Amino acid sequence: QAVVTQEPSLTVSPGGTVTLTCGSSTGAVTSGHYPYWFQQKPGQAPRTLIYDTRNKHSWTPARFSGSLLGGKAALTLSGAQPEDEAEYYCLLSYNGARPVFGGGTKLTVL
Amino acid sequence: EVQLVESGGGLVQPGGSLRLSCAASGFTFSSYAMSWVRQAPGRGLEWVSAIGGGDDSTYYADSVKGRFTVSRDKSKNTLYLQMNSLRADDTAIYYCAKVPWYSIAAASRVAFDYWGQGILVTVSS
Repeated sequence: QAVVTQEPSLTVSPGGTVTLTCGSSTGAVTSGHYPYWFQQKPGQAPRTLIYDTRNKHSWTPARFSGSLLGGKAALTLSGAQPEDEAEYYCLLSYNGARPVFGGGTKLTVL
Repeated sequence: EVQLVESGGGLVQPGGSLRLSCAASGFTFSSYAMSWVRQAPGRGLEWVSAIGGGDDSTYYADSVKGRFTVSRDKSKNTLYLQMNSLRADDTAIYYCAKVPWYSIAAASRVAFDYWGQGILVTVSS
């Protein structure tokens, strides 16, 4: 099974910009992996932020954006807010309808 | 408003069984595939299982294949996860999640747009 890798932790200053990445052990991440991004705050269920690389749900704050960057999927947060402190998970799709989550990135806004 | 409400969790001994339920509302349940995702204490998310909208396609993670069975009752708008031969490493919060399309087989992928609040399953003697 493929391994999906994320930075274990990142820190961003309030109002700052940070990029989280999502890599695959099988090679470059492409749009064909249909990258998803989820936000999970302590004690809460995950919430879907980004689907299919860069698409946002109606509830996704405009300061979040998705892209492909250097062979990885990327989630960029521009203008970080204290409420953005959370764990962020990516999800990649591989053949056979068995998705794989990344290990998560703990984002601190400090 | 889409709502997914899990129930049926609790404490079970190793080797025991448990059935989780997920009551769905706010969308046409029969028109979408559904899935289960779990999260062990202090750990990340792990996809567990999925079922297509037509019930004809089911998928499992290797870690639960042969022990867990996913099913759905469209008359009750409810998703189920029958868990047998439970082990300590099955201890986790189990989330029910809606898949944004009907057929997993046709899409050849599983993803999630809405999530339930989760239910805790503890496997311990």
